[in-house]
Amino acid sequence: EDQVTQSPEALRLQEGESSSLNCSYTVSGLRGLFWYRQDPGKGPEFLFTLYSAGEEKEKERLKATLTKKESFLHITAPKPEDSATYLCAVPLGNTPLVFGKGTRLSVIA
Amino acid sequence: ETGVTQTPRHLVMGMTNKKSLKCEQHLGHNAMYWYKQSAKKPLELMFVYNFKEQTENNSVPSRFSPECPNSSHLFLHLHTLQPEDSALYLCASSQDPRTDYGYTFGSGTRLTVV
Repeated sequence: EDQVTQSPEALRLQEGESSSLNCSYTVSGLRGLFWYRQDPGKGPEFLFTLYSAGEEKEKERLKATLTKKESFLHITAPKPEDSATYLCAVPLGNTPLVFGKGTRLSVIA
Repeated sequence: ETGVTQTPRHLVMGMTNKKSLKCEQHLGHNAMYWYKQSAKKPLELMFVYNFKEQTENNSVPSRFSPECPNSSHLFLHLHTLQPEDSALYLCASSQDPRTDYGYTFGSGTRLTVV
């Protein structure tokens, strides 16, 4: 059973076309939800941590939000350099981070 | 150097070879991890070390053998691997395994088993 599910698997946007990525999770007592960005051939790069429903965090064109069952990563007016795979992860119980499969974002100029 | 450094960046090995992956962190963290990343699959946790002690082994086959001589260095020794072991192997570190501040990842070692 998947405990961290990301959708869509891939997303293709025109430059300037805003959209959202979804991360849904099934875990009780959430201790944080993490968003990472991964460029090809590189390790994931930390973006945000969200801890409670209603929390929001922003960084440049990215804004992450959290509800009791899911998180959204909103991308406003994306640029080609935003193209990457975006991963979300949660700690389950006492285990370290468990990751979703990621959303591969392509932004076309 | 800063951050998490992994060597080599690329490795091709035969099924009968023995090789080692190296990871070094300069962040003063106490926990280190090995993750495996295969195409179309999420990152899979392999091993966790906290203060040099292995705290988790996620049902990893014995052909993968980790070693953590100190809090700054982590190795993954490989022997008699299978082609399906080809993947990107990522090392990460954090202040502790329950950190709320996320993990810092290295750039990974792209392993190809032939």
